[in-house]
Amino acid sequence: AQSVTQLDSQVPVFEEAPVELRCNYSSSVSVYLFWYVQYPNQGLQLLLKYLSGSTLVKGINGFEAEFNKSQTSFHLRKPSVHISDTAEYFCAVSEAGGYQKVTFGTGTKLQVIP
Amino acid sequence: NAGVTQTPKFRVLKTGQSMTLLCAQDMNHEYMYWYRQDPGMGLRLIHYSVGEGTTAKGEVPDGYNVSRLKKQNFLLGLESAAPSQTSVYFCASSSTAGGEGYNEQFFGPGTRLTVL
Repeated sequence: AQSVTQLDSQVPVFEEAPVELRCNYSSSVSVYLFWYVQYPNQGLQLLLKYLSGSTLVKGINGFEAEFNKSQTSFHLRKPSVHISDTAEYFCAVSEAGGYQKVTFGTGTKLQVIP
Repeated sequence: NAGVTQTPKFRVLKTGQSMTLLCAQDMNHEYMYWYRQDPGMGLRLIHYSVGEGTTAKGEVPDGYNVSRLKKQNFLLGLESAAPSQTSVYFCASSSTAGGEGYNEQFFGPGTRLTVL
């Protein structure tokens, strides 16, 4: 069975500062990894995904994430955050191939402080 | 192209009442899902469907039933609502097309349900 751990439930950061949201996963097989963003009172939308190939993945809104197989991590980063990045971010994992069952982490609320 | 829509947006029920949440997608997706979102617990899969006429249990199926009579619609039913079912419910859909082995799940805006 797969699982995802997001250690930080809330991350406050000043505007224009860099941010890293941490995600660790557990699985006995090959995985796909994702970051979703949820703005207030909205559904989730895909920020970026890792399926295979380059371990550095670039997504929308200037976010990127790096897949580290040895550390079973998929941390999300942005070099300079904006107020509009205030949202909740979910890391998710899916076993590669077959039915697309996705396991979500508990979420990290990013609060950008002006 | 509306994407994934959910009806209703808000609902308040009394314990024991029943209701049906409707999810509709206009992207011709084969897969559809129902999740519930609770504070500090992320999203948990209730039921899912891999095609018209098929449904399967997810992580937390107890107390819920689903039907997929038409490809574009996925209904979630609560036969006898309980306070523990107070949550935000999200529907999502995804296609089986594409060569990458995974296709993005598109989410609806959610239904906020309160059971008193």
